[in-house]
Amino acid sequence: DSGVTQTPKHLITATGQRVTLRCSPRSGDLSVYWYQQSLDQGLQFLIHYYNGEERAKGNILERFSAQQFPDLHSELNLSSLELGDSALYFCASSEGGGSNYNEQFFGPGTRLTVL
Amino acid sequence: AQSVTQLDSQVPVFEEAPVELRCNYSSSVSVYLFWYVQYPNQGLQLLLKYLSGSTLVKGINGFEAEFNKSQTSFHLRKPSVHISDTAEYFCAVSVPTGGSYIPTFGRGTSLIVHP
Repeated sequence: DSGVTQTPKHLITATGQRVTLRCSPRSGDLSVYWYQQSLDQGLQFLIHYYNGEERAKGNILERFSAQQFPDLHSELNLSSLELGDSALYFCASSEGGGSNYNEQFFGPGTRLTVL
Repeated sequence: AQSVTQLDSQVPVFEEAPVELRCNYSSSVSVYLFWYVQYPNQGLQLLLKYLSGSTLVKGINGFEAEFNKSQTSFHLRKPSVHISDTAEYFCAVSVPTGGSYIPTFGRGTSLIVHP
């Protein structure tokens, strides 16, 4: 158990809908990272938040957004969902902000299925 | 930009045999290198990392990897595998990205250990 929790574990929805994925980092970790894992794209970095502020952006679509709240939990919002958004979404957390190396601890993931 | 190539998508091996999972990277700057393991229905777990110093890195579960700068490789090895090592293995490289050290992952190698 990494100490990172993600809810829900599974999510099934329809095209065009909007969903919110939630992540709680390990106690004491200030950074949250979101990743998407799919068969065709592999594991892709989406976005990084540190202590409530966006720190880095990766291959995140404009239909996707994220935020980190004062209690440090984070939410990833996916809107206007398409079939291709079906994937495993991972959250990871680390102690620091990334200016030096900090090990990332991964949650168990949320499996999103868009029908 | 950096990239990671895992040369084998699947490696079948018999229990107690040695195994090598290959990883090559490309980057124009100094990098950090990682191997992660993903067991079925779980998140990623760090096996080992190379940040600096000795090019032979030892990790958890008896795995080790050797950083070869001239060949831009970071191959993962284990002298004797167990059934429980069956999992997906990801090589990753990390360089600074706007103040964050964000790993770029390879496509993964599925290690299948047969009895």
